[in-house]
Amino acid sequence: DIVMTQSPLSLPVTPGEPASFSCRSNQSLLHSSGYNYLDWYLQKPGQSPQLLIYLGSTRASGVPDRFSGSGSGTDFTLKISRVDAEDVGVYFCMQALQTPFTFGPGTKVDIK
Amino acid sequence: QLQLQESGPGLVKPSETLSLTCTVSSGSISSGDYYWGWIRQPPGKGLEWIGTRSNSGSTYYNPSLKSRLTISVDTSKNQFSLRLTSVTAADTAVYFCARHRRDWGNYFDSWGQGTLVTVSS
Repeated sequence: DIVMTQSPLSLPVTPGEPASFSCRSNQSLLHSSGYNYLDWYLQKPGQSPQLLIYLGSTRASGVPDRFSGSGSGTDFTLKISRVDAEDVGVYFCMQALQTPFTFGPGTKVDIK
Repeated sequence: QLQLQESGPGLVKPSETLSLTCTVSSGSISSGDYYWGWIRQPPGKGLEWIGTRSNSGSTYYNPSLKSRLTISVDTSKNQFSLRLTSVTAADTAVYFCARHRRDWGNYFDSWGQGTLVTVSS
């Protein structure tokens, strides 16, 4: 199975300020199509996860453009250009290259 | 907007079978080349992909659960289901159903609210 790691595990943020966090895999997630098979999900408190980013950098429908995904191969980053109070929760990355799909442990984001 | 809702017993005894159903509304489960999946989250822990099934019958199961797992689709009821046999306390989790898109990459773009299943005698 592909092992996913994330850092930091906890991130206090200030509204209006940028934030970024990392996701790494122990195998390359670059598909033969040229796309990286890496998704980002946000699980807000008490809610189910919601899709933010797929294919490493494609924003899902309705996701604000302050969220951006980047990276390739084994190293990926999710950036929030200006944190909003509604962005608190746990951010999970998931490798979507091969089954079993596996998730990282999550980065918990809360307001300072 | 597509909506998914899990249903089923909240308490299952050890060694028995866990059965959950996901009802899809505001959309047809048989339209498009969609897949339908299950993901679970033990209390206070991370996410684990359980498995996925397509309308046409293709299935993909997590090898760690494969021997105990069945995912089925009932297009007449617009539902899909999960059946996990011989459960133990380790199967205690919130179970989410989700639509699995495979057009570009693999991603879960619509999720149910989740249902907590506790395995205990």
